Amino acid sequence: DAGVTQSPTHLIKTRGQQVTLRCSPKSGHDTVSWYQQALGQGPQFIFQYYEEEERQRGNFPDRFSGHQFPNYSSELNVNALLLGDSALYLCASSPIDSPTEQYFGPGTRLTVT
Amino acid sequence: AQSVTQLGSHVSVSEGALVLLRCNYSSSVPPYLFWYVQYPNQGLQLLLKYTSAATLVKGINDFEAEFKKSETSFHLTKPSAHMSDAAEYFCAVSDGNQGGKLIFGQGTELSVKP
Repeated sequence: DAGVTQSPTHLIKTRGQQVTLRCSPKSGHDTVSWYQQALGQGPQFIFQYYEEEERQRGNFPDRFSGHQFPNYSSELNVNALLLGDSALYLCASSPIDSPTEQYFGPGTRLTVT
Repeated sequence: AQSVTQLGSHVSVSEGALVLLRCNYSSSVPPYLFWYVQYPNQGLQLLLKYTSAATLVKGINDFEAEFKKSETSFHLTKPSAHMSDAAEYFCAVSDGNQGGKLIFGQGTELSVKP
């Protein structure tokens, strides 16, 4: 049983560019959450998707957007990248009957230069 | 609003010694509480969770935590530290409502000396 997978593992972008990160949830999970973890900090909630809709959103600007596909996989898009967007981006999936039981992927390390 | 405070950004113990990592929470509703571990260059792994059942929660790798409502605490303990326990530990809180957004503390780095 594959766990949560994320791609790519690492990414280097230039300030002002756009980036798309991808996540495949654990088998049997239909809810996907995204978190940003800056160096030396705890993860911060970006948003959560269920039934292809954004259900909850954290305190992040509109430059951060997402999508969920019918197979429950998800994408995180960040536009107009800033240096401060450099972080580890974590995806977590959970079953709908237990939304707090979140299983995390290995993350995508984004570096903005 | 909910929040989590982890006391001590770095804790160092000797192999075989007791591990105690402190977490205090703030929540206006009955909280769901979690401890996660993160090894270098990896994602987060759930150690244990409290969801309003027994106040003493047992997790993986002999870790356990006790929910104390009067002290708004959820400290993580392990009787005997192993070298392999060296990692970053995060305490998190959720209100358990639809969505289950997790709010994390700043993390505590655990070092284990031989």
